[in-house]
Amino acid sequence: GESVGLHLPTLSVQEGDNSIINCAYSNSASDYFIWYKQESGKGPQFIIDIRSNMDKRQGQRVTVLLNKTVKHLSLQIAATQPGDSAVYFCAEIRHNYGQNFVFGPGTRLSVLP
Amino acid sequence: DAGITQSPRYKITETGRQVTLMCHQTWSHSYMFWYRQDLGHGLRLIYYSAAADITDKGEVPDGYVVSRSKTENFPLTLESATRSQTSVYFCATRMNTEAFFGQGTRLTVV
Repeated sequence: GESVGLHLPTLSVQEGDNSIINCAYSNSASDYFIWYKQESGKGPQFIIDIRSNMDKRQGQRVTVLLNKTVKHLSLQIAATQPGDSAVYFCAEIRHNYGQNFVFGPGTRLSVLP
Repeated sequence: DAGITQSPRYKITETGRQVTLMCHQTWSHSYMFWYRQDLGHGLRLIYYSAAADITDKGEVPDGYVVSRSKTENFPLTLESATRSQTSVYFCATRMNTEAFFGQGTRLTVV
């Protein structure tokens, strides 16, 4: 079946380094892809999204790349900080659930001092 | 306070009991969602609502009931709780491509 998933369940990076979190998807009909950050004990929070007709979008310290050829999505975090430690989810908006968000299982990012 | 509020934050209930999780938004977002979050499964959609009095099943609806008599409220009811429904439940609203989540309800069924 169609799904949104993540390559790596955990990622550890040194403070100040760049982080790259990857996501594979299989539904080529999705309109938007979104990255969410979830800190312990909290609900997910929106980071950045990208429309399916784009291949790159930049925010503050974050960049999302979309490669539709290989159905791959990535989130790059520049100069990773301790506050970036969290679980990151990629999600896509699907029409079969009223344009609901379908989430991948998540990647835990740990920032080492 | 503005935003989305879930209550209770924590709940322990016994197998077979009925329990209702509350969700309230101070915006007027049309779409509201209920997800459950379990290790290894990420966030899975239980039910969603496109507007008041319009609800529909998501990926894992069995054992749950929802209602939406008012735009701002979207309660989730477990009619007869089972241990497999032990989870963290998140309510969310949606505006365009952004979803706004509550802080979650941690439900334990013993």
